Amino acid sequence: DIQLTQSPSFLSASVGDRVTITCRASQGISSYLAWYQQKPGKAPKLLIYAASTLQSGVPSRFSGSGSGTEFTLTISSLQPEDFATYYCQQLNSYLALTFGGGTKVEIK
Amino acid sequence: QVTLKESGPVLVKPTETLTLTCTVSGFSLSNARMGVSWIRQPPGKALEWLAHIFSNDEKSYSTSLKSRLTISKDTSKSQVVLTMTNMDPVDTATYYCARIPSRGSYYFDYWGQGTLVTVSS
Repeated sequence: DIQLTQSPSFLSASVGDRVTITCRASQGISSYLAWYQQKPGKAPKLLIYAASTLQSGVPSRFSGSGSGTEFTLTISSLQPEDFATYYCQQLNSYLALTFGGGTKVEIK
Repeated sequence: QVTLKESGPVLVKPTETLTLTCTVSGFSLSNARMGVSWIRQPPGKALEWLAHIFSNDEKSYSTSLKSRLTISKDTSKSQVVLTMTNMDPVDTATYYCARIPSRGSYYFDYWGQGTLVTVSS
């Protein structure tokens, strides 16, 4: 199975900060990557798919980039509602979909 | 409006078989493009994909859990069912069902609220 490693696993930031989360794949996955946001007690919410395509309704301060084995999720100006845990997911191997370990973004 | 809702037991005993049902609305399980997956999340841990199914009955399972899982669907009832045999306390988790919007794009655009299953004697 393709392994996804997210870094950092924990991030402390302030409102207005630019935040970048990295997801590295154990083998090349082209652009077959999605990002999700999860708040405590809630289901994950799709933010980005195909590495850089913003899901409908998601604020434009969220962006994704990368291809192959290295990907990033960027929040250009962190808002209070963005404090959550973020997960990447690879879609390249549809027989074995996998998620990263998560990055928790907390208020500094 | 697309919705998915999980249902099943809150508590199961070790060695028992878990049966979970996902009831969908706002789309049809006969839609050739769309599929439904099951995903779980142990308390405080990361997400883990379990299985998915498409309208033509194409199925796929997690490599590590394949021997214990069965996914099926009842299109007329708009339901997808997951069974997991030989439950263990490490299987305690919130179980989600989610929609795959398109073949070839195996991400999840709509999720159920999740159902917490505890495995304990």
